[in-house]
Amino acid sequence: KAGVTQTPRYLIKTRGQQVTLSCSPISGHRSVSWYQQTPGQGLQFLFEYFSETQRNKGNFPGRFSGRQFSNSRSEMNVSTLELGDSALYLCASSLGSWAGYNEQFFGPGTRLTVL
Amino acid sequence: QKEVEQDPGPLSVPEGAIVSLNCTYSNSAFQYFMWYRQYSRKGPELLMYTYSSGNKEDGRFTAQVDKSSKYISLFIRDSQPSDSATYLCAMAGSAGNNRKLIWGLGTSLAVNP
Repeated sequence: KAGVTQTPRYLIKTRGQQVTLSCSPISGHRSVSWYQQTPGQGLQFLFEYFSETQRNKGNFPGRFSGRQFSNSRSEMNVSTLELGDSALYLCASSLGSWAGYNEQFFGPGTRLTVL
Repeated sequence: QKEVEQDPGPLSVPEGAIVSLNCTYSNSAFQYFMWYRQYSRKGPELLMYTYSSGNKEDGRFTAQVDKSSKYISLFIRDSQPSDSATYLCAMAGSAGNNRKLIWGLGTSLAVNP
């Protein structure tokens, strides 16, 4: 069974630009969560989608947005990039909603660098 | 103060040592406790899952939860070089805003042959 895939793996952007990251969950998984990982803040929850609906949202500004398609694939978008957005962005999929109860399977992440 | 505190280390031990990793938390609503392992350039993978208080053992790994002290631990027996990774604790409650997973910063572990 193929794991969670994320594209691209590495990305370099400049301040003010926007970026779209993509995540393909494990086949059959309907929940996709996005996290930002930085050395200083660790893993921080961005949002969770289940069957194309946003179920939960973290404390990030509106520049961070996401969506989920009918095939469960998900994208997240960051507009007007800031230097502080440089991070590893991780996508995780699970069979059911709610990460506290369903095992999450993570992709390798997209390393975003903002110059 | 963060909701979940975890010493980032790094922790360096000789092969065969017993390793103890810990997290403390402040939210008494947390009921679901997890330990994830993250190798370099990889995403985290679930290692242990515990509901409420108590111990859980899986091979060389033991997870302990003490809800009265708001303290969780992961013990690794007979540590191996392949255990070298970052270990992250994560926890969540069951209702409302507590349903989001809250993570520790992670502890970097190196097991030296």
